[in-house]
Amino acid sequence: DAGVIQSPRHEVTEMGQEVTLRCKPISGHNSLFWYRQTMMRGLELLIYFNNNVPIDDSGMPEDRFSAKMPNASFSTLKIQPSEPRDSAVYFCATAAWGQEHNEQFFGPGTRLTVL
Amino acid sequence: AQSVTQLGSHVSVSEGALVLLRCNYSSSVPPYLFWYVQYPNQGLQLLLKYTSAATLVKGINGFEAEFKKSETSFHLTKPSAHMSDAAEYFCAALRSNTGKLIFGQGTTLQVKP
Repeated sequence: DAGVIQSPRHEVTEMGQEVTLRCKPISGHNSLFWYRQTMMRGLELLIYFNNNVPIDDSGMPEDRFSAKMPNASFSTLKIQPSEPRDSAVYFCATAAWGQEHNEQFFGPGTRLTVL
Repeated sequence: AQSVTQLGSHVSVSEGALVLLRCNYSSSVPPYLFWYVQYPNQGLQLLLKYTSAATLVKGINGFEAEFKKSETSFHLTKPSAHMSDAAEYFCAALRSNTGKLIFGQGTTLQVKP
């Protein structure tokens, strides 16, 4: 298995631009989590899905952030418009709900820099 | 509410010395507990997990952790540190019925030659 796949690995953009981060979960995993990691705030859960349905989006910082999971094989996290304070590493993690005690497998992350 | 506390944001040990990273959880019901490691510029990787089968859990790379209900602790240890162990370590508890992990703040381990 290729593991959790995230793209792009690095993204540099200018303030005000739209940014879309992508995640492909491990086949068979039906829970998907989006995290943000910064030096100041550490690791934060933004939103998670079970069976493609958003369960808890209380961690989404503001309306500029949105996430979708149109099918079991793909999820996106969009920031529109982006701001310099959004610069962070964004991780996607997936798990098999109800199995293996919900061990989460993390992708390599997308390092976002907003200038 | 469930919470996870890691004591010490930075720990420094000499190569060959004992590694001890502390984690305490707050819950009336022992949760599932995990230790993850993050190497520079990489995602988090599972080191080990406690699922109530055994209180002493062995993981990868020579790490182990002991679940102590009386102390609500799940400290991570390794008898002899290697330079390659330098990384950030996260303790996490699974919030039951949601699949949501509650992470500690992380501990950066430095290994000195």
